[in-house]
Amino acid sequence: SQQGEEDPQALSIQEGENATMNCSYKTSINNLQWYRQNSGRGLVHLILIRSNEREKHSGRLRVTLDTSKKSSSLLITASRAADTASYFCATINTGGFKTIFGAGTRLFVKA
Amino acid sequence: EPEVTQTPSHQVTQMGQEVILRCVPISNHLYFYWYRQILGQKVEFLVSFYNNEISEKSEIFDDQFSVERPDGSNFTLKIRSTKLEDSAMYFCASSESGQGEKLFFGSGTQLSVL
Repeated sequence: SQQGEEDPQALSIQEGENATMNCSYKTSINNLQWYRQNSGRGLVHLILIRSNEREKHSGRLRVTLDTSKKSSSLLITASRAADTASYFCATINTGGFKTIFGAGTRLFVKA
Repeated sequence: EPEVTQTPSHQVTQMGQEVILRCVPISNHLYFYWYRQILGQKVEFLVSFYNNEISEKSEIFDDQFSVERPDGSNFTLKIRSTKLEDSAMYFCASSESGQGEKLFFGSGTQLSVL
């Protein structure tokens, strides 16, 4: 299986703290993406990092990718209560057409 | 901002009945997908569709399932003879290009099979 697996499964932090979520995958990839899902809603794309990139920033989000370790991390800085959601990494194997999602990390930010 | 729309938002059906879930992808997108999420579990890939044919499907997507793009705007998922275990949230997604580019998801259809 080439699907990503997130770690931890759940994370509870105080508002203002940083949240770090990790993702591991198994096969060669073109890129890795992170998505967010609010309870009962569709997934929203956050950021995409290509296999030849090591780090990418978008606002309070920082994503790293280590293709040698087949892992990625998502850092949310200065978290807010509104960041409470599930976060998923997603990968697609080289030459494939299906984006596969991991099981997700449930983030709870306490106000 | 353009969005993917799905109807209905909730669908209740009796076991053995057929259901059709409908999606309107973003107008200039060329790749279409169906995913499902059983409550509390991961988002599972069902099928991808491009150029009026299935480009890839998962082992979940058996003969019970079919997809169609009946006109220039709609993309449908038909589930024949529904089972209790088909109860899930079904998400439609589209992308401008394939090969792992950004997916835009609809809000989903919650299917309950009784």
